[in-house]
Amino acid sequence: QVQLQESGPGLVKPSETLSLTCTVSGGSISNYYWSWIRQPPGKGLEWIGFVYYSGSTSYNPSLRSRVTISVDTSKNQFSLRLTSVTAADTAVYYCARYSGTPPKWFDPWGQGTLVTVSS
Amino acid sequence: QSALTQPASVSGSPGQSITISCTGTSSDVGGYNYVSWYQQHPGKAPKVMIYEVSNRPSGVSNRFSGSKSGNTASLTISGLQAEDEADYYCSSPTSSSTYVFGTGTKVTVL
Repeated sequence: QVQLQESGPGLVKPSETLSLTCTVSGGSISNYYWSWIRQPPGKGLEWIGFVYYSGSTSYNPSLRSRVTISVDTSKNQFSLRLTSVTAADTAVYYCARYSGTPPKWFDPWGQGTLVTVSS
Repeated sequence: QSALTQPASVSGSPGQSITISCTGTSSDVGGYNYVSWYQQHPGKAPKVMIYEVSNRPSGVSNRFSGSKSGNTASLTISGLQAEDEADYYCSSPTSSSTYVFGTGTKVTVL
């Protein structure tokens, strides 16, 4: 079955750029939306955005000015870039697949990776 | 966009039924039949329990059911069990082609 795995630095300095990659295994990246979702410690889930396999994107309005999500179909990967980070961006970052056709759900999810913003 | 509103906590005794509400607007919950519900145990990734308002994925217990009325969706857990103790989140697409999650509900089994 399809599995997702997040990778990237666990510590980022304030004002710098957070970069994460999600590797998709066990299936093709084609014909799906690929999403990033985060969860600050002790808080709820926040949808960051998604990229369609063709490259089109949609972002959370509250993060739109700082977020870029891209896809590399040759590597079966998609990536997140979040610029000008602050402590408020400290969170567990999850990648997940979303189907644009029924059944419409976020599934599967990666295990999540904690990113801490600190100097 | 604002998070969908859920009660912070709901509790029940084993065997009882509980219901978690998820209130949005006509631009999200009320406008689409694509509300989904996720269960999250501590330190784990969320797991889909209900999709498209009332459908259960294969392998999810039939003790979990979903419904929607107007701008409010609901998740009901019947025959509450200790393993149901977790956080639950609803999610919906929006009219802006984005997605929004609920504020989350902690379910406690007394």
